[in-house]
Parts: sequence; C-alpha cells; structure tokens
Amino acid sequence: AQTVTQSQPEMSVQEAETVTLSCTYDTSESDYYLFWYKQPPSRQMILVIRQEAYKQQNATENRFSVNFQKAAKSFSLKISDSQLGDAAMYFCAYRGMNRDDKIIFGKGTRLHILP
Amino acid sequence: DAGVIQSPRHEVTEMGQEVTLRCKPISGHNSLFWYRQTMMRGLELLIYFNNNVPIDDSGMPEDRFSAKMPNASFSTLKIQPSEPRDSAVYFCASSFSGGRDGYTFGSGTRLTVV
Repeated sequence: AQTVTQSQPEMSVQEAETVTLSCTYDTSESDYYLFWYKQPPSRQMILVIRQEAYKQQNATENRFSVNFQKAAKSFSLKISDSQLGDAAMYFCAYRGMNRDDKIIFGKGTRLHILP
Repeated sequence: DAGVIQSPRHEVTEMGQEVTLRCKPISGHNSLFWYRQTMMRGLELLIYFNNNVPIDDSGMPEDRFSAKMPNASFSTLKIQPSEPRDSAVYFCASSFSGGRDGYTFGSGTRLTVV
C-alpha cells in the first residue's frame, strides 16, 4: 500500500525568506501524481501544485516549486519570498493512475510565517 | 462553476440526534469523496463513490455512519445516533476518475456534538 510521510509537523520561516517542506512516499507504481495542498485557517483545502511522475521537469507555480526526486521517492515543496498569507497547514498527497484511485494524504506540516 | 458545495457550514447537535451532511459535487466530476478531519487523526477517508456507486467504505467508522449518492449531483453523509467523538470537520471532495487535477474540496462542515 502507498504511504505518504511528512516528517516536519511544524516549521517557521521569516517573511520574505525561502522555506522547504519535506515529503516522502512509498509506492510500487511507476506512474502516479503528486500534489501539495494548502489549508489556511479558513479550513478550505486548496491545491497548490501538481506533479506527474512521468515528467522529469519540476513543477512551478509562481513562488511555489517542487523538487521531485523519483528514485528517492521524495517530493519537497519550496516556497520563495514567503508571505504572511502562506501561513497554513500543507499536505503532501499521492494518487495512482488507476481508475478510482483515491488520494493518500500525509499528516501535514504547519507553516508559521514570522513577520 | 460554484465549486463543491457543502451544507451546513456549521452544525451543533445533541448526543443521540441524527445529523445529515450534504454535498453537491462539481458538475461533470464522477468521483466523490467524504473525509473527516480531526487534530488527532488528521484527514481520514470515510467513503468514496464513482459514478454514484460506493467503491470503498472501509473508512466508515461504524454502523452509525451511512452515505448515499442518489444521483450525480448530490450526496449525503448521515450519522445516527451522533456521539461527542464524532465532532470533527467533514469534507466532501470531487474529481474526475484517475484525474491529474486532484480533488476539489468543499469548505467543510464543522460538526459539534454536545
């Protein structure tokens, strides 16, 4: 069975600095999708970024980028120029490519932004 | 599109009462998921449907919980009777089967059982 592990329950970063959130996963599949979701205090779950395993190029969305290391089964999220609005719980997630596959979520990392 | 719509946003009920949570998925999405989120357990998948058919309900805690999806645009999660330990935020999410886009979540229902 697939698992997703986020080893950092909490992190803090100074405003305008860069922070990296770690995620590792375990799977026997060769093709899959990986996601980072953000949950701010409003509790809305927001998709931040997505990576297809068959793509070697790391995904980027504005200040958010990933470091995808397929062999190491690692999928970290880098937030550049951190802003107060980035304060949230961040969930790493995995989805296989089979039909009906559910998304498996990590336990989350709470990110604090220090002004 | 209005996104995934859940109601109510907040629900406070007394122990022993029946609670019904509602979800309208995004039009065209054919998979629907119910999650429960607590501080202790994080996000737990309760049940999911594909084309209105329950595919995996192994996460449903016990017989007090039931879920239905009578059509492609509506699903309910019912707890009867409710207990204080059911207090949590319940999320509904929808997606295309095997889709690359992940889930779209509703804003959740915060349930408090007193």
